[in-house]
Amino acid sequence: DQQVKQNSPSLSVQEGRISILNCDYTNSMFDYFLWYKKYPAEGPTFLISISSIKDKNEDGRFTVFLNKSAKHLSLHIVPSQPGDSAVYFCAASDGGGGSQGNLIFGKGTKLSVKP
Amino acid sequence: AAGVIQSPRHLIKEKRETATLKCYPIPRHDTVYWYQQGPGQDPQFLISFYEKMQSDKGSIPDRFSAQQFSDYHSELNMSSLELGDSALYFCASSLNTVEQFFGPGTRLTVL
Repeated sequence: DQQVKQNSPSLSVQEGRISILNCDYTNSMFDYFLWYKKYPAEGPTFLISISSIKDKNEDGRFTVFLNKSAKHLSLHIVPSQPGDSAVYFCAASDGGGGSQGNLIFGKGTKLSVKP
Repeated sequence: AAGVIQSPRHLIKEKRETATLKCYPIPRHDTVYWYQQGPGQDPQFLISFYEKMQSDKGSIPDRFSAQQFSDYHSELNMSSLELGDSALYFCASSLNTVEQFFGPGTRLTVL
């Protein structure tokens, strides 16, 4: 059973607009959430993370929001740029914030930003 | 900045053959993770090592084994290869953080 779910396999957005990528999870023991971006023929690239004790983390154009009661997080990219076109993976960890936890990934959302 | 290095980048094997994938973590990173990503799938955790000791095990088949060496590089050994083993194999490394940094992957094709 998929513990991390990304229900939208694809998303298309106009350049300059906001991209919102959603992720739901089922395991309340997850204490860290991460977003990765992946281009074809490359490994996932870390984008931004959030601890379960926070509800928002911002880094430049990227903001992640966490709603623990709904077991839902979202990644906002604003403004979206054509170079943001990639597959975005949501991932969760129950490793206590250290490096001992493996990551559990969603199936990814393919974002296309059109000029 | 130095990244995670994986070799080879591509590998083609026949069924029942063996394969060895190598991973060189980011310098000073002490934890290495292996993931398998099938076509159209999410990366699935296989196994991890911390300070050269196995620290966690995921959905790794018994036909696969791995180890981390004294220089912190890791090798994933795969025996009796099956068609279903065809996938992208990612290695990631970290140092005392939950954020893992991924290599470019090895694409294994089993014919």
